[in-house]
Amino acid sequence: DIQMTQSPASLSASLGETVSIECLASEDIYNNLAWYQQKPGKSPQLLIYYASSLQDGVPSRFSGSGSGTQYSLKINSLESEDAATYFCLQDSEYPWTFGGGTKLELK
Amino acid sequence: EVQLVESGGGLVQPGRSMKLSCAASGFTFNNYDMAWVCQAPKKGLEWVATISYDGSSTYYRDSVKGRFTISRDNAKSTLYLQMDSLRSEDTATYYCARLDYFDYWGQGVMVTVSS
Repeated sequence: DIQMTQSPASLSASLGETVSIECLASEDIYNNLAWYQQKPGKSPQLLIYYASSLQDGVPSRFSGSGSGTQYSLKINSLESEDAATYFCLQDSEYPWTFGGGTKLELK
Repeated sequence: EVQLVESGGGLVQPGRSMKLSCAASGFTFNNYDMAWVCQAPKKGLEWVATISYDGSSTYYRDSVKGRFTISRDNAKSTLYLQMDSLRSEDTATYYCARLDYFDYWGQGVMVTVSS
C-alpha cells in the first residue's frame, strides 16, 4: 500500500500569513494527488486535484504543487475561514490512501 | 445542484449487518464512478470502496473485503453499502462521494457498532 505522510500535524498561523502543508508518498504517485479541507462537523471539500488543478469555486489563494513522491498545498494570505483540517489523498493505486491530516489554527 | 444524501446509519451490535444508502441528484448518476469513505471519531479519512459508473467493477480496502459490498441502482440514482459481520472498529461516519476526485460528498451518516 502507498503510505501518505502528511506534515505538519498541526499548524498555527496569523491572518494574512502564507502556510504550506506537505504530503510525502512512499512511492511515485504520478501527480494523482488531491487536497481537501474539512471543517468541524462538515464533509470534506475538494480544493486541488491532480496535484495542482484548482477546483471550481475554490479561492485562488490555494495552490498545489509537486511531483513524484513530494507534494504541497500552499495557502496565501490566510483568512479566518481557512481554519480547518486539511487532508491529502492519493488515487494513483488501490487502496487509495489519505494523509493523516493537518489542523490549521488561526492566531 | 449536486446533492448526495446518505441514510441507514445507527447503532448495531457486533456481528450484525447494516445497509447504507446514498441518494444522488443534480447530475447524471450513471456517468460517474462513486465511492464510500469513512472517518472514525476524531480520526482521519479512510477510503472504503469504489464502484464504476456501470457497476461492473468494484474495489475495497482490505479490512472490509468479504464483509462489505458496494452496489448501485442507476435507475434510482442510488448508491449502497451493505455492511455484514460488523466490528467495533467499523464505527465511523460514512460518506458517499462522487468521483472525479471526490468532488462532491454527502453529509455523512454515523454507524456505531457496539453491544
